[in-house]
Amino acid sequence: DTEVTQTPKHLVMGMTNKKSLKCEQHMGHRAMYWYKQKAKKPPELMFVYSYEKLSINESVPSRFSPECPNSSLLNLHLHALQPEDSALYLCASSQEGGGRTEAFFGQGTRLTVV
Amino acid sequence: GENVEQHPSTLSVQEGDSAVIKCTYSDSASNYFPWYKQELGKRPQLIIDIRSNVGEKKDQRIAVTLNKTAKHFSLHITETQPEDSAVYFCAATDTGRRALTFGSGTRLQVQP
Repeated sequence: DTEVTQTPKHLVMGMTNKKSLKCEQHMGHRAMYWYKQKAKKPPELMFVYSYEKLSINESVPSRFSPECPNSSLLNLHLHALQPEDSALYLCASSQEGGGRTEAFFGQGTRLTVV
Repeated sequence: GENVEQHPSTLSVQEGDSAVIKCTYSDSASNYFPWYKQELGKRPQLIIDIRSNVGEKKDQRIAVTLNKTAKHFSLHITETQPEDSAVYFCAATDTGRRALTFGSGTRLQVQP
């Protein structure tokens, strides 16, 4: 299995809602990432987990809360988002951390905040 | 942190022509340089990568060259086909953030 699976594929939420994005990989990768991608822009790093520990938080607002329950799963909890948070949220994993090996991307969750 | 610059932002070529996309990076400790292709509405997918101990790598119609001294690397696509049309991102290791940093992307359009 060489896939990173994200759910849901699409999500529409109000500014007062709480929702979660889920990501799963079964490749035995030890690093997992959340990226945010706006239209016509590159993926922008949000969080890095290495060996299930949060190693990088790119000054992301606290309305985004990551969680890594185990080595195969990564969640992103969303609360009180703003319309400008609407974007494609990409999960990725790599065999090792450090940005020194291929990052495999999930298909993304397209989030719309209304 | 790593700063990756990518040019051009858009590139239009005729089918069968070659396409070249160039990137520069700032982190002298970077040692891994992948190229991703992203079709509309899809995930970024790796098409080729190169490590700092290699100057050139080729895979069929795709090649990547790396000049560590000048801190730049390039993607070369020969005999372009309409299905090569997509956005291409270069990336480089950000040793401080321990993740990949992406260039701004190049929209390649291959005209049939």
